[in-house]
Amino acid sequence: SAVISQKPSRDICQRGTSLTIQCQVDSQVTMMFWYRQQPGQSLTLIATANQGSEATYESGFVIDKFPISRPNLTFSTLTVSNMSPEDSSIYLCSAAETRLGGYTFGSGTRLTVV
Amino acid sequence: KQEVTQIPAALSVPEGENLVLNCSFTDSAIYNLQWFRQDPGKGLTSLLLIQSSQREQTSGRLNASLDKSSGRSTLYIAASQPGDSATYLCAPYGNNRLAFGKGNQVVVIP
Repeated sequence: SAVISQKPSRDICQRGTSLTIQCQVDSQVTMMFWYRQQPGQSLTLIATANQGSEATYESGFVIDKFPISRPNLTFSTLTVSNMSPEDSSIYLCSAAETRLGGYTFGSGTRLTVV
Repeated sequence: KQEVTQIPAALSVPEGENLVLNCSFTDSAIYNLQWFRQDPGKGLTSLLLIQSSQREQTSGRLNASLDKSSGRSTLYIAASQPGDSATYLCAPYGNNRLAFGKGNQVVVIP
């Protein structure tokens, strides 16, 4: 299965700033996704990153706050914009080669906003 | 919307004991179910993938069963070790997405 490199692994940011998280997959994958895991909670899907077109966002998430790029089949970025302490979470990218083949996850980015 | 419940939420066991982690989900129209392991502050590591047509899947000391019609899956870990300490997440796949519960937080005491 695919291997995902995600960076940074953690960061502490000032409120009002933005952070871009990168995910690199070691093979071409059909689907890439971004999740958020707030403290003590389960994973919530933010959006599906679509290659060459705008991402598909879940209810409650908007492009202005979480812009996503996916320029090719192996790479995607998520930006957390105009951060507030409520954005402190673990952010994870995920990839799947096929819908039924199972998902692989990156190592996560632990974000703290102060 | 798929709801996933994992019981027990947390457990501590002495090393060597067998672990039984339970997962239930409300929508049985799933294609497969994955079990993941998550260490504190880290990403998810896939442990087992069970297709909807399968009843169980095994890898080493791990065995996962799936009863799709009743919306249940169980992860068995034999002869637990301190390195098994982590949170275990089950994730049924259906309606074009994975659904997650809050996990079973496991501590194995040496």
